[in-house]
Amino acid sequence: AQKVTQAQTEISVVEKEDVTLDCVYETRDTTYYLFWYKQPPSGELVFLIRRNSFDEQNEISGRYSWNFQKSTSSFNFTITASQVVDSAVYFCALADLYGQNFVFGPGTRLSVLP
Amino acid sequence: DAGITQSPRHKVTETGTPVTLRCHQTENHRYMYWYRQDPGHGLRLIHYSYGVKDTDKGEVSDGYSVSRSKTEDFLLTLESATSSQTSVYFCAISHPPTTGLSYEQYFGPGTRLTVT
Repeated sequence: AQKVTQAQTEISVVEKEDVTLDCVYETRDTTYYLFWYKQPPSGELVFLIRRNSFDEQNEISGRYSWNFQKSTSSFNFTITASQVVDSAVYFCALADLYGQNFVFGPGTRLSVLP
Repeated sequence: DAGITQSPRHKVTETGTPVTLRCHQTENHRYMYWYRQDPGHGLRLIHYSYGVKDTDKGEVSDGYSVSRSKTEDFLLTLESATSSQTSVYFCAISHPPTTGLSYEQYFGPGTRLTVT
């Protein structure tokens, strides 16, 4: 069975600090897909990044970066120089090789204080 | 933005009554999903569809049924609503990863359902 663990339930940082959100996954598939989503206080779910299991390159997008390590089954998300607008719940998700059976982690609530 | 709408957006109903939630997409995505979101659980998959009339169960399918008679519509039915089904329900769409198209999910705005 697939599983996603986000051990940090809540994180609070002060603006401009860097913060890393952890995501550990379990799957028996050799082909799988990983995602991060953001849910701001308004409630919508916003796609941030996707990664397939064959692509272990880390990615940077502005202040956001992602570190995918198959050896430790982790797909961590770092926000550099956090801002108040980054305050949200962040979800890590895992999909099977058909891109169908999605499993979401419980989410990490990030609060960025001014 | 993917064109996904959900109706109704809010509903209050009584225990034992049937409820149907509708998800409508204008993006011609083959895959559609229904999730529920509850505090402490993140999003849990109820049912998904990989094509017209092709559906499968997710993690928390008990008490729910779905139907997909057209590509653009995916219906979620609670045959006899219970208080434990009070939740926020999200619909999502995606392409299969083998199509070469982007395969991430796009979500609708959600439906807040309260069963009293």
